[in-house]
Amino acid sequence: QKEVEQDPGPLSVPEGAIVSLNCTYSNSAFQYFMWYRQYSRKGPELLMYTYSSGNKEDGRFTAQVDKSSKYISLFIRDSQPSDSATYLCAMSHSSNTGKLIFGQGTTLQVKP
Amino acid sequence: DSGVTQTPKHLITATGQRVTLRCSPRSGDLSVYWYQQSLDQGLQFLIQYYNGEERAKGNILERFSAQQFPDLHSELNLSSLELGDSALYFCASSAQGSMNTEAFFGQGTRLTVV
Repeated sequence: QKEVEQDPGPLSVPEGAIVSLNCTYSNSAFQYFMWYRQYSRKGPELLMYTYSSGNKEDGRFTAQVDKSSKYISLFIRDSQPSDSATYLCAMSHSSNTGKLIFGQGTTLQVKP
Repeated sequence: DSGVTQTPKHLITATGQRVTLRCSPRSGDLSVYWYQQSLDQGLQFLIQYYNGEERAKGNILERFSAQQFPDLHSELNLSSLELGDSALYFCASSAQGSMNTEAFFGQGTRLTVV
């Protein structure tokens, strides 16, 4: 069993929809949680970063962490075709580490 | 553009060969990280260097090695290549030693072993 599980999708939604992306994990030592966006043929770029449990909002993006359930989510409001990409969750147990554990990524397509 | 430069962008080579992938970090960044992305394994951490010294090691095969030079660029050497080594290899860099909040990825080198 992988440490981080993420449904690969693909997920297809109409423009303007609210998108919910999720990851579950097994290692209770994880404290730092990130969401990356990766466009085709590009490197991942950091979207959201959350420490421990709670919510964090940045524009149309909201990240949620529920450590008791070992479950993290990324919500995208008013989705746009430009949001079409692969979304990867990542996590680590330390604030000073280069080792992130990534999910497999969920491919999202937002149709105009 | 993240400011992290990886060369070459594409590489096709035969089994048993050796290749070198190069990464130039963003100006001023001291840490370089190498990740491998394959369809079955996803993104996997290989190794981290900080200011020339190895800082952390992940699932890096013994056939693979890396180094960071005094000018802070890094090279990942892959030898005795196997078909299963075909993947995207990403380099990331950050100013300090953490990937958590400040690391930027390059565009990757796509390695195809035939």
